[in-house]
Amino acid sequence: QSVLTQPPSVSGAPGQRVTISCTGSSSNIGAGYDVHWYQQLPGTAPRLLIYGNNNRPSGVPDRFSGSKSGTSASLAITGLQAEDEADYYCQSYDSSLSGSRVFGTGTKVTVL
Amino acid sequence: QVQLQESGPGLVKPSETLSLTCTVSGGSVSSGSYYWSWIRQPPGKGLEWIGYIYYSGITNYNPSLKSLFTISVDTSKNQFSLKINSVTAADTAVYYCAKEGRGGGGSVWFDPWGQGTLVTVSS
Repeated sequence: QSVLTQPPSVSGAPGQRVTISCTGSSSNIGAGYDVHWYQQLPGTAPRLLIYGNNNRPSGVPDRFSGSKSGTSASLAITGLQAEDEADYYCQSYDSSLSGSRVFGTGTKVTVL
Repeated sequence: QVQLQESGPGLVKPSETLSLTCTVSGGSVSSGSYYWSWIRQPPGKGLEWIGYIYYSGITNYNPSLKSLFTISVDTSKNQFSLKINSVTAADTAVYYCAKEGRGGGGSVWFDPWGQGTLVTVSS
């Protein structure tokens, strides 16, 4: 079961901007816990894309950015490229689930 | 930098015990700064956190899962392991191990991840 809800899919043409939402509740994102984002290219392991709501690890292009407000968070991809076609997952901490780390339902990004 | 590699059987029969190992290189599981987690992904589905272990042996498991999971650590081999008792077809998944990064106030994330190992439960 996932306690963080994401749209199943989003799409955009090369060069466009797309956003992915991640909706939680008062026991996770709404409680102030940070949101982190992962990119999973086909057939590979997830890799950390954004941590602490809006921080990029070394090597992640600045086309990727994150934000958080209230019980939701968003990942934005600007200047969409073909190599960005992948599954994206948000992740946070949930205080109602004994220290559980919780993932979003996942969003497939398609580059048209 | 730290790298993780999962190992284990690719096929397990229903009701048997599944054992997976994660070998850490480029760093130490005994580092007091990190927790070490297992995460799984059923074919075509999303990610599910299973649990973590600290080098001292402290563990925490996903309360949404049945208590059939055990995570252990072997600091002498720089490894940590996952055991699942009485597996069923629902345990068929790619299993990943990962290092937890930590900020303040419950901020925890996973980086890096192992490449993952597919486990199929079938007779």
